[in-house]
Amino acid sequence: DVVMTQSPLSLPVTVGQPASISCRSSQSLVYSDGNTYLNWYQQRPGQSPRRLIYKVSNRDSGVPDRFSGSGSGTDFTLKISRVEAEDVGVYYCMQGTHWPPWTFGQGTKVEIK
Amino acid sequence: QAQLVQSGGGVVQPGRSLRLSCAASGFTFSSFGIHWVRQAPGKGLQWVAVIWYDGSNKFYADSVKGRFTISRDNSKNTLYLQMNNLRAEDTALYYCVIIHDGFDLWGQGTVVAVSS
Repeated sequence: DVVMTQSPLSLPVTVGQPASISCRSSQSLVYSDGNTYLNWYQQRPGQSPRRLIYKVSNRDSGVPDRFSGSGSGTDFTLKISRVEAEDVGVYYCMQGTHWPPWTFGQGTKVEIK
Repeated sequence: QAQLVQSGGGVVQPGRSLRLSCAASGFTFSSFGIHWVRQAPGKGLQWVAVIWYDGSNKFYADSVKGRFTISRDNSKNTLYLQMNNLRAEDTALYYCVIIHDGFDLWGQGTVVAVSS
């Protein structure tokens, strides 16, 4: 199984400042069709998760453009250009290249300082 | 609007069975594969199972293989998870999820608690 490793696991941030979360996979996530199936999810307290980014860098509909995804191969990053109070929650990366199983990172808890 | 509404959770004793349901509306359910993902109390997300759009393929996490069965009824726009021989470690919030390019949809979650 592909192991997804996120860092940091806890991220205190100041409103208005940038934030960055790293996700590393135990093997390359490039699929045979040339796509890289790496998604980012946000789970606000008490809510179901929602996807922010799919295939590394594609923002889902309704996701603010302060969220961006980048990376390739085994190293990926989610960036928040200017954190807002509503961004508090846990963020997960997930790979959908080497399945089954689909695998998630451990989660990164973002909180406001 | 598109939504997934879950039902069927509850408290059960170890070794017993439970069936979860996930009713879809507002989109063409029969066009999408759909997953079950769970979250143990205070823990992260764990993939459980997936079924293809037409039911032709099903895959399971090793931890539930042989005990859980995923199925769907496209005429009723409903997904199911039959959970047999439940264990304490199956205690979690279970989500049905569509993971597709440009379309991401989660149910509200349903609690399964396995306890004697």
